[in-house]
Amino acid sequence: GQNIDQPTEMTATEGAIVQINCTYQTSGFNGLFWYQQHAGEAPTFLSYNVLDGLEEKGRFSSFLSRSKGYSYLLLKELQMKDSASYLCAVDIRGGSYIPTFGRGTSLIVHP
Amino acid sequence: NAGVTQTPKFQVLKTGQSMTLQCAQDMNHEYMSWYRQDPGMGLRLIHYSVGAGITDQGEVPNGYNVSRSTTEDFPLRLLSAAPSQTSVYFCASRRRGSEGYGYTFGSGTRLTVV
Repeated sequence: GQNIDQPTEMTATEGAIVQINCTYQTSGFNGLFWYQQHAGEAPTFLSYNVLDGLEEKGRFSSFLSRSKGYSYLLLKELQMKDSASYLCAVDIRGGSYIPTFGRGTSLIVHP
Repeated sequence: NAGVTQTPKFQVLKTGQSMTLQCAQDMNHEYMSWYRQDPGMGLRLIHYSVGAGITDQGEVPNGYNVSRSTTEDFPLRLLSAAPSQTSVYFCASRRRGSEGYGYTFGSGTRLTVV
């Protein structure tokens, strides 16, 4: 089976930095996605990592280590609107880039 | 450009009833998929399609059928609804060849089976 692990819940303070970790053991690996999902809404795409290393997109950065089966999402200068679930997902099929999701990390940002 | 449109947004079914959840996209995306999301379980793939006329099963296909007669539409059919199918269903689509970009999700259908 596929195993994608991330913490269930995290809390952080507005203006701070938070790192959400994801480890995976899957039958295949072609890349790793991060999605954001606000309560009651659809997931929205944040990033896709294929190669090892850090990719930065504004306040959000995503890191991948394929040899360690590990990724993290780094959120800087936290804002209240960043309170959401963050979903780690692995593309195990290749080609169609269909993600297999972990259970998500609920991030609560407080003042 | 409406993106991915799912209908209905809410639905209550009785056990044993059948229904079709509709999904349509106007972005000419080749890849489409259906997920269900349950508390504590994350998003689980039901069925997916890589183009018109081509479908395949995901992790949890039992009790669901799909077809893809056009690029735009990818309906999900519940054959005989069961309380275990109470969930939020998301449809998603993506353009072939758009490496580095994720799927675009619809707003979801909240289904309750009583």
